[in-house]
Amino acid sequence: DVVMTQSPLSLPVTLGQPASISCRSSQSLVHSDGNTHLNWFQQRPGQSPRRLIYKVSDRDSGVPDRFSGSGSGTDFTLKISRVEAEDVGVYYCMQGTHWPWTFGQGTKVEIK
Amino acid sequence: QVQLQESGPGLVRPSETLSLTCAVSGYSISSGYYWGWIRQPPGKGLEWIAIIYHSGNTYFNPSLKSRVTISVDTSKNQVSLKLTSVTAADAAVYYCARLASGTSDYWGQGTLVTVSS
Repeated sequence: DVVMTQSPLSLPVTLGQPASISCRSSQSLVHSDGNTHLNWFQQRPGQSPRRLIYKVSDRDSGVPDRFSGSGSGTDFTLKISRVEAEDVGVYYCMQGTHWPWTFGQGTKVEIK
Repeated sequence: QVQLQESGPGLVRPSETLSLTCAVSGYSISSGYYWGWIRQPPGKGLEWIAIIYHSGNTYFNPSLKSRVTISVDTSKNQVSLKLTSVTAADAAVYYCARLASGTSDYWGQGTLVTVSS
């Protein structure tokens, strides 16, 4: 299985400040279809995961533009330009290139 | 709006079979997409279990393949999961989701399964 490694696992952030989460894969996530299937999900407390980003940097409809994704190959990043209170939760990267699809361990974002 | 709703027994005894159902509304399963199950043990991360196309084509996580059955009922617009010989390690919130190419765009709210005698 492709191992997805996130860092940090805990991220205390001051409101209005930026935040960045790293995700590294044990294999390249470039698919034979030419796309890189790296996704980011947000899981707020008590809720199911919600997709924020797909194909590395495509943002879902309704996702604030303070969220952005970048990266290539095996190294990816989720950035929040200015953290708001509603951003508290656990963030997971997930690769959809190699079956079984796999998730990172999750990064818990909390307000300082 | 696509909606998925999981249902199940809540409590399963060790060594028994867990059966879950995912009711899909707002989209006809027979129109396309893969549909799948993911689980999340309390306080832990996420794990894909199995996925299925409306035609019956399936993929299983090798770690669970020997114990898992996944099926679709297009007449009821439902996806089902069976997991045999459950142990405490199978206690988790089980989610169903719709899959697109390399991603998953819709998830249910999840159903909690406890394993206990």
